[in-house]
Amino acid sequence: DAGVIQSPRHEVTEMGQEVTLRCKPISGHDYLFWYRQTMMRGLELLIYFNNNVPIDDSGMPEDRFSAKMPNASFSTLKIQPSEPRDSAVYFCASSSKSYNEQFFGPGTRLTVL
Amino acid sequence: QKEVEQNSGPLSVPEGAIASLNCTYSDRGSQSFFWYRQYSGKSPELIMFIYSNGDKEDGRFTAQLNKASQYVSLLIRDSQPSDSATYLCAVNSLRTGGTSYGKLTFGQGTILTVHP
Repeated sequence: DAGVIQSPRHEVTEMGQEVTLRCKPISGHDYLFWYRQTMMRGLELLIYFNNNVPIDDSGMPEDRFSAKMPNASFSTLKIQPSEPRDSAVYFCASSSKSYNEQFFGPGTRLTVL
Repeated sequence: QKEVEQNSGPLSVPEGAIASLNCTYSDRGSQSFFWYRQYSGKSPELIMFIYSNGDKEDGRFTAQLNKASQYVSLLIRDSQPSDSATYLCAVNSLRTGGTSYGKLTFGQGTILTVHP
């Protein structure tokens, strides 16, 4: 089992640029979660999907953030335009049922200059 | 009041001692509780989960849950330097109205250092 796969692992971009983060959940998992982690705010849930459908996007900070899950094996988190305050580690996680443990990917460290 | 609060730390214990990590939560409807460990620069990994009141033991780790007090804890016996990490408490809540969903709310984490 390859686990949750995220790409890229590191991203450095300039303010105003579009950033796309990618995630492949564990095969068979029907829940997918996007988190952001910073020293100040800790681990925050941004959005999650169940069977490719967005269920709760109340954590998405603003309209600059969008997420899609076109199929069961792929999701993207897009920031357009990016700002320095978006600098953080973004984690994707998946789980097989709502009560079961969430398996985290390695994360994408985003730096916006 | 934060939804999930952990003892602020950092917590420093000598090798071989018991480390006690505490967590309180505000949503009485919470059903499942998780402890994750996160090494610096790495992603969170699950150590324990607990659903029922009482104690649950797994090796050197014991999770304790008291739903009446809205309190969950993690005890690490015979602490080792390799246990040095940030420990995250996470709580799964049910949406009111009967629809369950998988949202986990995480605490801020407690940094544990085990010194030789």
